[in-house]
Amino acid sequence: GQQVMQIPQYQHVQEGEDFTTYCNSSTTLSNIQWYKQRPGGHPVFLIQLVKSGEVKKQKRLTFQFGEAKKNSSLHITATQTTDVGTYFCAVNYGGSQGNLIFGKGTKLSVKP
Amino acid sequence: KAGVTQTPRYLIKTRGQQVTLSCSPISGHRSVSWYQQTPGQGLQFLFEYFSETQRNKGNFPGRFSGRQFSNSRSEMNVSTLELGDSALYLCASSDPGQRNTEAFFGQGTRLTVV
Repeated sequence: GQQVMQIPQYQHVQEGEDFTTYCNSSTTLSNIQWYKQRPGGHPVFLIQLVKSGEVKKQKRLTFQFGEAKKNSSLHITATQTTDVGTYFCAVNYGGSQGNLIFGKGTKLSVKP
Repeated sequence: KAGVTQTPRYLIKTRGQQVTLSCSPISGHRSVSWYQQTPGQGLQFLFEYFSETQRNKGNFPGRFSGRQFSNSRSEMNVSTLELGDSALYLCASSDPGQRNTEAFFGQGTRLTVV
């Protein structure tokens, strides 16, 4: 079935350093979503990418969708302690909006 | 607008028992999905309901079942509990009519099987 590989599994950074997580699929994706889950919390939607080569920014967060629509990345510039959490990419499977296949997530820790 | 509400928040059950979890979606959302989250397997899709019909099902045994009511509220049931069923069960609702198909998650039900 559909799978999406996400790396790295863990990332430890010093506050102020940058952070990037990557998602890769063997098949072309119709879209990709990104979620953040704070420790003890639930996943919260960040963004959806649909177009080939799309780049979207949210303050210090930059999201990219590859030209072939098989990979995506989330980059955080100058991390802060509030960025701590696990970042997941997710794709719709079978065209159903309610059926999301999640990557394993990248757990980000930020040392002040 | 109230968010997705899941009850109960925490549950402890014994092996062999059954459990029912409840989810109330955001008002107006007709799609409700369930996910299991464990440290080892991550977030895994269980099933999706839309207008009281199961639309999709993940790769879980038949012990896992669900249903949706006419008011879009959903329940999931796990019978003959196993230790490996210990997990955070998350419900998510979405509005298929919206262009941005984001899923809104509830706080989850933390199930511990002993």
